[in-house]
Amino acid sequence: QSVLTQPPSVSGAPGQRVTISCTGSSSNIGAGYDVHWYQQLPGTAPKLLMFANNNRPSGVPDRFSGSKSGTSASLAITGLQAEDEADYYCQSYDSSLSGSAFGGGTKLTVL
Amino acid sequence: DVQLVESGGGLVKPGGSLRLSCAASGFTFSTYSMIWVRQAPGKGLEWVSSITPSSGYMFYADSVKGRFTISRDNAKNSLYLRMNSLRAEDTAMYYCARGPEGATAILTKWFDPWGQGTLVTVSS
Repeated sequence: QSVLTQPPSVSGAPGQRVTISCTGSSSNIGAGYDVHWYQQLPGTAPKLLMFANNNRPSGVPDRFSGSKSGTSASLAITGLQAEDEADYYCQSYDSSLSGSAFGGGTKLTVL
Repeated sequence: DVQLVESGGGLVKPGGSLRLSCAASGFTFSTYSMIWVRQAPGKGLEWVSSITPSSGYMFYADSVKGRFTISRDNAKNSLYLRMNSLRAEDTAMYYCARGPEGATAILTKWFDPWGQGTLVTVSS
């Protein structure tokens, strides 16, 4: 049971917009700690998708955006493409754990 | 090109030990914090351990504290994870990842890039 809660799955048709939520608490996101997002394509290692809430690493398309408010964060993907089908994980620091924590992961299906 | 290559995984009996290695290249290894993250089969990611550039501080998840030891050899550009008293629930793909440059607030930062992982299976 992770301290960061994500929906197990989301789906959308090509070209549509989807959002993935990451809900925390006052010991992590609500305490002001940054949220980072990773994309894990099937059979591959995770790849950094968004850092410090809303910053895209070089090479990540601007179809991906991040936001944070209160005790939650969100990853939005616009113009959905088949290649976006993957697992997505949020990550933040949790003071009650004194360590880094990942959300349980969200499987994105492109219909 | 930044590269991380893990090795040392395999099949081990419950109660046994294993040492994982991660060879780094393409960046100044000695100035970056480093991390181990694991992923049980079909499950999500779990942060395992982090170490600061000069090995001044090591951090562990509660699930491995007292059993696992993270270390590094900056002269060899290598990161290690010594795993003792292994349990079935330690079965996972183990990834090494690069953390932030420096030793400040390393647990709050992102991990980038990641290696391809090495599989550890604990079974009798």
